[in-house]
Amino acid sequence: DIQMTQSPSSLSASVGDRVTITCRASQGISNYLAWYQQKPGKIPKLLIYGASTLQSGVPSRFSGSGSGTDFTLTISSLQPEDVATYYCQKYNSAPLTFGGGTKVEIK
Amino acid sequence: QVLLVQSGAEVKKPGASVKVSCKASGYTFSGYYMHWVRQAPGQGLEWMGWINPNSGGTNYAQKFQDRVSMTRDTSISTAYMELSRLRSDDTAVYYCARSASGYGGAYSFDYWGQGTLVTVSS
Repeated sequence: DIQMTQSPSSLSASVGDRVTITCRASQGISNYLAWYQQKPGKIPKLLIYGASTLQSGVPSRFSGSGSGTDFTLTISSLQPEDVATYYCQKYNSAPLTFGGGTKVEIK
Repeated sequence: QVLLVQSGAEVKKPGASVKVSCKASGYTFSGYYMHWVRQAPGQGLEWMGWINPNSGGTNYAQKFQDRVSMTRDTSISTAYMELSRLRSDDTAVYYCARSASGYGGAYSFDYWGQGTLVTVSS
């Protein structure tokens, strides 16, 4: 099975900072990669699919890039409401594995 | 609007089974695969499998292959996930989530249920 590895596992940044989270697949998955945001005590929310397509209603400060095995989620200007854990997920084929998550906090 | 409403919290003893329901509304239930995902306390997300509500066909993660059963009742737009031979490490929040496309299960998840906490304790 393909493994999904996220880094870092946690980060702390200041409001307004540019934040980048990486996700690496153990084998190529083309662009079948999604990103989810899970705020504390809440359900996951789809942010990006197809590696770079923003889900409707998601703020434009979020962006995704990558293809094959290496992907990134970028928050261009971190806001207090972005405090959450972010997960990548591959969905090219079953099993639809998630990465381990990246916890984002405000410094 | 699309809504997925799950059944309430459960407390089970080791070795027992649990069945969680997920009632869909706001869209054609049979048109979108339903997935089940779990999250142990303080841990990440773990995909368990999917069901095609139209055919009833399933695809389970190997880890759960011999203990999970996903079914559906199209007459009431409800999907079910039953996990048997429960262990303490099955304590988790269980979510249903809808495939973002009507073309199959290999898609992202655009709507999630509110989650059902299953606690396994003697």
